[in-house]
Amino acid sequence: NAGVTQTPKFRILKIGQSMTLQCTQDMNHNYMYWYRQDPGMGLKLIYYSVGAGITDKGEVPNGYNVSRSTTEDFPLRLELAAPSQTSVYFCASSTTGFRFPYEQYFGPGTRLTVT
Amino acid sequence: DQQVKQNSPSLSVQEGRISILNCDYTNSMFDYFLWYKKYPAEGPTFLISISSIKDKNEDGRFTVFLNKSAKHLSLHIVPSQPGDSAVYFCAAMPKDSGGGADGLTFGKGTHLIIQP
Repeated sequence: NAGVTQTPKFRILKIGQSMTLQCTQDMNHNYMYWYRQDPGMGLKLIYYSVGAGITDKGEVPNGYNVSRSTTEDFPLRLELAAPSQTSVYFCASSTTGFRFPYEQYFGPGTRLTVT
Repeated sequence: DQQVKQNSPSLSVQEGRISILNCDYTNSMFDYFLWYKKYPAEGPTFLISISSIKDKNEDGRFTVFLNKSAKHLSLHIVPSQPGDSAVYFCAAMPKDSGGGADGLTFGKGTHLIIQP
């Protein structure tokens, strides 16, 4: 039972480079999320999706793009990496989205450094 | 503007004693509260939650208390075990959230260290 998987685990990017963070879940959850966690801070929502083909912005969407072509996959795209995007990125999924019981299942994270 | 505050970055407790982790919030629209536990190099995992219509929820060694008038909640772990050493995040959800910026709001976390 894999749950939520993320690749890569670590990545170092140069300023201006692009990359895609992959996220896959095998729980058939409709709702998926991308968060970032800066050092010493809580998680902040970047983007979320309520189902295949539907995405929306969270609290901190600037500099990122997402797509949701299947229920299982929710990739996060960084087009022009900036040092401010150095962070740990977590993907999560849930059955009920922003309704009770709200519980979200998280992947192990991708640690990204932009230099 | 931090709406969910965990003012203790770290807490050290002896094995077998009670661990009490605190969380304060400022948004009176928050209706549901969750605690997540996070080990290094892993994602957060759901631990326990409480609705604003309750003042206590218990699950084994874990109990969450909610004081709505004080906008304060606490997580009690009794007895504390070495495997409880982790970072604990408090999170809150407003009523009838439409998502987006109204999704889960997390605190900065408290690093709990259980001393043998």
